Amino acid sequence: DTAVSQTPKYLVTQMGNDKSIKCEQNLGHDTMYWYKQDSKKFLKIMFSYNNKELIINETVPNRFSPKSPDKAHLNLHINSLELGDSAVYFCASSQYPLFNEQFFGPGTRLTVL
Amino acid sequence: SQKIEQNSEALNIQEGKTATLTCNYTNYSPAYLQWYRQDPGRGPVFLLLIRENEKEKRKERLKVTFDTTLKQSLFHITASQPADSATYLCALDRGNAGNNRKLIWGLGTSLAVNP
Repeated sequence: DTAVSQTPKYLVTQMGNDKSIKCEQNLGHDTMYWYKQDSKKFLKIMFSYNNKELIINETVPNRFSPKSPDKAHLNLHINSLELGDSAVYFCASSQYPLFNEQFFGPGTRLTVL
Repeated sequence: SQKIEQNSEALNIQEGKTATLTCNYTNYSPAYLQWYRQDPGRGPVFLLLIRENEKEKRKERLKVTFDTTLKQSLFHITASQPADSATYLCALDRGNAGNNRKLIWGLGTSLAVNP
């Protein structure tokens, strides 16, 4: 059983396109996250949802829009993709509060050409 | 500015030895510190969490210390094995008091255990 799953695993697209990444967790957690890991391997939080409510929204361009239809799902939609968006995007989940251990998905490697 | 530093150089050790990884931080007062392992092409995997009022935590061959005076955590793997080769990340909580204390991550230290 996969605890945190993401689709797709790889995403290659042209600049200017719009794309979505989906995430699902079956751990019963109430908090989910999106992280970006760049080429230098720096892991930076982008968003966090608790019980479908946005609680962390870092200084991320508004081309990035998360959506949480329910506690088990957190999707990330990216408009007008730019070269600098190329990175690995990780979804994670945890019990609330946020300092609890986090469970990560396998990552989505996004390449913008 | 707030900063987390981990050994920037990769650590190479011989199988059976103890690996010691360092996590230093400045301008934080974290209440919790976590260590994760990340293998190439995969997401981080949680290893240990230590609270500010705990000096040391152990789990099998792993040991973590947390010195809030030195602003440092040490992560030890005893009797290391080639399968321990990975990148190890430390993460600290920060933010306002309360439950929305998000994690801030170090860049990680790459460990290679040679047979």
